Amino acid sequence: DVKVTQSSRYLVKRTGEKVFLECVQDMDHENMFWYRQDPGLGLRLIYFSYDVKMKEKGDIPEGYSVSREKKERFSLILESASTNQTSMYLCASRPGGPIYEQYFGPGTRLTVT
Amino acid sequence: SQQGEEDPQALSIQEGENATMNCSYKTSINNLQWYRQNSGRGLVHLILIRSNEREKHSGRLRVTLDTSKKSSSLLITASRAADTASYFCATDTTQGGSEKLVFGKGTKLTVNP
Repeated sequence: DVKVTQSSRYLVKRTGEKVFLECVQDMDHENMFWYRQDPGLGLRLIYFSYDVKMKEKGDIPEGYSVSREKKERFSLILESASTNQTSMYLCASRPGGPIYEQYFGPGTRLTVT
Repeated sequence: SQQGEEDPQALSIQEGENATMNCSYKTSINNLQWYRQNSGRGLVHLILIRSNEREKHSGRLRVTLDTSKKSSSLLITASRAADTASYFCATDTTQGGSEKLVFGKGTKLTVNP
C-alpha cells in the first residue's frame, strides 16, 4: 500500500514563526502536492513538484515556499506564519505520467495564534 | 481556481437508500476522479473515469460522465452508516504543460442508521 505521512496531525504556532510541514511518501512517486483545505472553499493547491528540486506554483502560493531535496520528501514552509494561514494542510503524491490518482496523507491541522 | 462544483452541498439519507451526488465542471478534462474524506482525515481515492468513458462501476459505486454537458455523477447504492463522509470530485486537466487536479467543494453525505 502507498503510504504518505505528514510530520504532525496538529500544530499550534505563533504569528511570525517559521513553520515547517513535512511530507514523506514511500512509493517512489515523481509528483508531490501541497493543498490547504478550508470550510466552504474546498481544497486549493499551494505548490507542487514533479521531480527532485523542481517546484511549481499552484493557485495560492503567496506566503508559502517549498523544498524537495529528495524524491520521497516534500516540505512546505511558512516563512512568517499569519493567522489567515490557520487551516488543514494536505500532502499528496502521484506517479508520473497521465491517468493516475493522488494518494493523500492524513493532514496537518495548523493553528496560528 | 475551482472547476468542479458538487451538488448538493449536503445530503442526508437512511441506511439502505441510494445516494447520488453530481459534479459540474467548466473546461476540457483528461479524466475525472472522485474522492472520499472522513471527518478531519485525508482524502481517499474512490474511482477514476477517463474522458472517453461514459460509465464505470466499482463495488457499490457507479460513476457516469457526460463530457457534452461537462458533468458527472456518483451513485452509492445500498448506503451504509459507514459511508458517512464528504465526497469530492476532481478534474484532471493539463495547464501550462502540467497535469493538475482541481477539486470541488464537496458533498457532505450523512447516512442515518
